[in-house]
Amino acid sequence: QQQVKQSPQSLIVQKGGISIINCAYENTAFDYFPWYQQFPGKGPALLIAIRPDVSEKKEGRFTISFNKSAKQFSLHIMDSQPGDSATYFCAASGGTGGGADGLTFGKGTHLIIQP
Amino acid sequence: DAGITQSPRHKVTETGTPVTLRCHQTENHRYMYWYRQDPGHGLRLIHYSYGVKDTDKGEVSDGYSVSRSKTEDFLLTLESATSSQTSVYFCAISWKNEQFFGPGTRLTVL
Repeated sequence: QQQVKQSPQSLIVQKGGISIINCAYENTAFDYFPWYQQFPGKGPALLIAIRPDVSEKKEGRFTISFNKSAKQFSLHIMDSQPGDSATYFCAASGGTGGGADGLTFGKGTHLIIQP
Repeated sequence: DAGITQSPRHKVTETGTPVTLRCHQTENHRYMYWYRQDPGHGLRLIHYSYGVKDTDKGEVSDGYSVSRSKTEDFLLTLESATSSQTSVYFCAISWKNEQFFGPGTRLTVL
């Protein structure tokens, strides 16, 4: 049973465009939703995270939109740059939010930004 | 890498041999985790620890055991490695309720 569904699997965006990656979850006990960025040969790096008490969180060019009723959240990358080319993972956890429960991950989106 | 080191970084072993991967952290974090990453599966939780000698199973714990005899080290053991355990293994810590990952260990079981 896949508790976090991520789409698309791969995405090509032109430089300067907006990259959008979507995730949907099933477990209503989830209350912490991070996004990770991973470059080849490296560990995942925390990019931005949100909790259900807000519908949107922005950090620089990266924005998370959260829809609690639809059980969906998305990552928007504004003014996408070639350096943003990486694999992106959404994740979710419940309880202490990344504490004892561990994270449930989506399967990842391979993003390519074309110059 | 949040002060997390993993060793070895690469290992090739044969089916049926025991393998131990080490995760070391220097910041006294209470929670530590082991995940595996496979193409098409994202990362999946194997085991986690919430203190010295306190561990619990994750989603894909079959064939793995863990130990944590001191705060800074979390060991993952494959008692008898199988080809299905070929993967990249990541250790993580929790700090301020957010998880941070180590650089990973690439394990190949022939």
